[in-house]
Amino acid sequence: GAGVSQSPSNKVTEKGKDVELRCDPISGHTALYWYRQSLGQGLEFLIYFQGNSAPDKSGLPSDRFSAERTGGSVSTLTIQRTQQEDSAVYLCASSFIPGLAGRNEQFFGPGTRLTVL
Amino acid sequence: DAKTTQPTSMDCAEGRAANLPCNHSTISGNEYVYWYRQIHSQGPQYIIHGLKNNETNEMASLIITEDRKSSTLILPHATLRDTAVYYCIVSGGTSYGKLTFGQGTILTVHP
Repeated sequence: GAGVSQSPSNKVTEKGKDVELRCDPISGHTALYWYRQSLGQGLEFLIYFQGNSAPDKSGLPSDRFSAERTGGSVSTLTIQRTQQEDSAVYLCASSFIPGLAGRNEQFFGPGTRLTVL
Repeated sequence: DAKTTQPTSMDCAEGRAANLPCNHSTISGNEYVYWYRQIHSQGPQYIIHGLKNNETNEMASLIITEDRKSSTLILPHATLRDTAVYYCIVSGGTSYGKLTFGQGTILTVHP
């Protein structure tokens, strides 16, 4: 289908290693969002992209987290020196018209389940 | 974004209407009410949104009170596949469409 895809679906890593999570948004969607969902914190916003720029990074929990988006399409979320508290499901969403009141139907991907041992 | 309050859990019999309430007493004039749901192990799914008028689509109806301080999501004929966590979210203004999820309501549809 033409939905949001994320890879890998599952990632197990050792504490201290770096990981990269990928998101392919729906074609033509200019806005892209990263969220994460953990047992203790619920579903929380991480970062928002409009095109290739990120006007809102307020949800990134530390400087170990970074994200980029190239060509206005694919986005990569990188977590450096992973910690056990980074274990969560990382969700990506895209939308067609960002920030336009009443037009914020976000389409979510299936998520990447990250486990840090 | 305005904060929302929802019941922790609700039950509904299959085939009956499910009415999920949400309080958003601090909503401002340019903020919309959105409803999403999350079925176990899947990403959230958009259901419906509204500003001040009642809205209906193929999935559900949204009833917003005249003072906009509360709303109700109605699933007219609930099925077992509607068992999910339902999130009421207020968003708009300068939030770039960022969604702030609360704890939501766990809806369980029984046979």
